[in-house]
Amino acid sequence: AQSVTQLGSHVSVSEGALVLLRCNYSSSVPPYLFWYVQYPNQGLQLLLKYTSAATLVKGINDFEAEFKKSETSFHLTKPSAHMSDAAEYFCAVSERAGGSYIPTFGRGTSLIVHP
Amino acid sequence: KAGVTQTPRYLIKTRGQQVTLSCSPISGHRSVSWYQQTPGQGLQFLFEYFSETQRNKGNFPGRFSGRQFSNSRSEMNVSTLELGDSALYLCASSEWDRSNTEAFFGQGTRLTVV
Repeated sequence: AQSVTQLGSHVSVSEGALVLLRCNYSSSVPPYLFWYVQYPNQGLQLLLKYTSAATLVKGINDFEAEFKKSETSFHLTKPSAHMSDAAEYFCAVSERAGGSYIPTFGRGTSLIVHP
Repeated sequence: KAGVTQTPRYLIKTRGQQVTLSCSPISGHRSVSWYQQTPGQGLQFLFEYFSETQRNKGNFPGRFSGRQFSNSRSEMNVSTLELGDSALYLCASSEWDRSNTEAFFGQGTRLTVV
């Protein structure tokens, strides 16, 4: 069974600082990995996805994530935080089960950006 | 292309009542999934429908049910509402049978049970 662990329910950074949100997964087969962002009272929006084409994945708004199989990690980074990045971030892993690809989500990490 | 549309956006119901939530997926998407999001439990998978058939089901009581119509629109129903059913209910649609395809989420329906 697949599972996702996001280290840290809250991460606080200053505007302009590096953002690092951690995600570790467990999966019995090569996984498909995603990062989503959720703003208050909104649905989830895809930031980026790992599709096995490249280990370093670039997403929207200058976010990127690196797939490290040996560490079973898919950490999300952004070089310089903006106030508008304050939101909830979810890591998800998807693998085939019963003919479907149902993603399993982590518990989420709330990103707080200080001026 | 229009996104995933969920109606209504907000609902207030009384314990014991039932509620029906609606989801219209992105045109061409045949898979629709439902999630319950609460501060305590996070995002929990309810069920997934594909071509009017329930393909997967999460660990929720039978009070939670759903269906999908021939145009891929989906509804979920919760009967005998409990206070603990208060949550943001999210619907997601995706293309069928593609392993690396992402789910596209609606804005959700905020259900409050009083």
